[in-house]
Amino acid sequence: QEQLVESGGGVVQPGRSLRLSCAASGLTFSSYGMHWVRQAPGKGLEWVTFIWYDGSNQYYADSVKGRFTVSRDNSKNTLYLQMNSLRVEDTAVYFCARDMGGGRWVDLWGQGTLVTVSS
Amino acid sequence: QSALTQPPSASGSPGQSVAISCTGSSSDVGAYNYVSWYQQHPGKAPQLLIYEVTKRPSGVPDRFSGSKSGNTASLTVSGLQAEDEADYYCSSYAGSNNLIFGGGTKLTVL
Repeated sequence: QEQLVESGGGVVQPGRSLRLSCAASGLTFSSYGMHWVRQAPGKGLEWVTFIWYDGSNQYYADSVKGRFTVSRDNSKNTLYLQMNSLRVEDTAVYFCARDMGGGRWVDLWGQGTLVTVSS
Repeated sequence: QSALTQPPSASGSPGQSVAISCTGSSSDVGAYNYVSWYQQHPGKAPQLLIYEVTKRPSGVPDRFSGSKSGNTASLTVSGLQAEDEADYYCSSYAGSNNLIFGGGTKLTVL
């Protein structure tokens, strides 16, 4: 069945970097745009970034612009999120999600990976 | 951009109906028919309930319905069941390939 599995989360100090991965299976990964959405502990969902199906365009929330970079390797069916200059407020569960509306809504979510930024 | 505004909580008894509102602006909810709704049980990933304001993916019960008027969208859950107790989030397209989410509503089945 269609599945997204995130990995790469962990505990990291402020100012350091971390790279998340999202492995897709059971779907034609190269046909879909992909999003990262995060959820701080006990808080709501926050959109982070969107990348087109072919990786040619990327869009970011103001809160991460200039610090986070989304990319994808369609040959490996994998989505990435490179997070630099991490801040305490970046602490959250990070979900990858499949786009189904040209950046307008998502339908399939992974289970999430927890990133904790703490000294 | 500010999050869409949802009530923090809602409740209803089994069998009743409950509506959850989602208020945005003329730049997001009011500008596009791309409002979606998600259900999230504790510790789980969100699941799509409604997309494009009123459409239901296959497998979602017709007890869940969506609507929109101006800058406010609504999710109605009819015939409440115990398993409907969860957090509900709205989302809207906000232009320039950006999405915006609501703060979430905790639905309690009494």
